[in-house]
Amino acid sequence: DQQVKQNSPSLSVQEGRISILNCDYTNSMFDYFLWYKKYPAEGPTFLISISSIKDKNEDGRFTVFLNKSAKHLSLHIVPSQPGDSAVYFCAASVRAAGNKLTFGGGTRVLVKP
Amino acid sequence: NAGVTQTPKFRVLKTGQSMTLLCAQDMNHEYMYWYRQDPGMGLRLIHYSVGEGTTAKGEVPDGYNVSRLKKQNFLLGLESAAPSQTSVYFCASSYITSYNEQFFGPGTRLTVL
Repeated sequence: DQQVKQNSPSLSVQEGRISILNCDYTNSMFDYFLWYKKYPAEGPTFLISISSIKDKNEDGRFTVFLNKSAKHLSLHIVPSQPGDSAVYFCAASVRAAGNKLTFGGGTRVLVKP
Repeated sequence: NAGVTQTPKFRVLKTGQSMTLLCAQDMNHEYMYWYRQDPGMGLRLIHYSVGEGTTAKGEVPDGYNVSRLKKQNFLLGLESAAPSQTSVYFCASSYITSYNEQFFGPGTRLTVL
């Protein structure tokens, strides 16, 4: 049973518009959440993270929102750029458990010029 | 700094053959991890290590063994490969603190016929 789910396998958005990626989790012990970006034939690279004590974290064009009561987080990319076309994974961890990550299945984003 | 490197990049095995995947990191990270990525499944943790000489099982450890004889290296072994082990394998490393990102290697694409 997947503890972290990304229900949208793909997303297409026009350049300059907002991309919204969603992620749901079931394990209430998760207290740290991350987003990774992956290009083809490369390993994932860290994008942004959020602790469970916060509900929002921003880094430039990227903002992550956390709704603990709904066990839901989202990643907003504004404005979207063609270079943002990639697969995005959300991941969750329990801080006391050796920094092990549980990943969602990924969302493929295509930003059209 | 090379970061995290993986050897080999590609490999084709026949059922029953054995092989070892090598991961090396030059960031002096304490923690190292092996994941596999399958379509729609995200990345799943196979084994991990919190320090030289220590290893632990992850989510999908069956059919794999690991060793961490040196801090900078983490080896993943398949003793008798099966078609179900066809996947892309990623190694990652991180510092020991609980709020930290994992740095990933470029991956090894393994096909078992």
